[in-house]
Amino acid sequence: AQSVTQLGSHVSVSEGALVLLRCNYSSSVPPYLFWYVQYPNQGLQLLLKYTSAATLVKGINGFEAEFKKSETSFHLTKPSAHMSDAAEYFCAVSAPIQGAQKLVFGQGTRLTINP
Amino acid sequence: DGGITQSPKYLFRKEGQNVTLSCEQNLNHDAMYWYRQDPGQGLRLIYYSQIVNDFQKGDIAEGYSVSREKKESFPLTVTSAQKNPTAFYLCASSWDRVTEAFFGQGTRLTVV
Repeated sequence: AQSVTQLGSHVSVSEGALVLLRCNYSSSVPPYLFWYVQYPNQGLQLLLKYTSAATLVKGINGFEAEFKKSETSFHLTKPSAHMSDAAEYFCAVSAPIQGAQKLVFGQGTRLTINP
Repeated sequence: DGGITQSPKYLFRKEGQNVTLSCEQNLNHDAMYWYRQDPGQGLRLIYYSQIVNDFQKGDIAEGYSVSREKKESFPLTVTSAQKNPTAFYLCASSWDRVTEAFFGQGTRLTVV
């Protein structure tokens, strides 16, 4: 069965500092992995996805993530935080269900940016 | 523009009432999903549908019902049997397991 663990329900960084949000996954099949961002009272927006091509994936808004099979990790990073990055971030693994896609989500990490 | 539209954005329900949340997509996706979001619990799958006139229970289907009469529409009914319905509900759609799921803006349901 697929599962996702996000380490740290809250992360706080200063504006301009490195952002690192941790995600570890468990999957019985080759994983497809996603990072989504959610702003208050809104839906989820895709940041980036890993689908077995390059292990370093670049996404929108300057974010990137590296797939490390040996560590079963897919951590999200951004070199320099901006105030607009404050949001909740979800890591998800895709599980196959009868040809459709079940996304199994982590608990989420709330990112706060300090001025 | 293509996307997923959920309505209403906010919904209030009295205890004992059924309510229906609307979800419409114009992305021509075959698969559609309903997720429930509670603080600190991530998103949990309620129901999903791969094709018209077919749907399957997810992880927390008790107290909910769905229909899929058209490819574009996947309404969710929260019945009076759902003991704790207050939550944020998200509808999504996708092509398949590889491509990303697209999400609507959500409906916040509050029982009063």
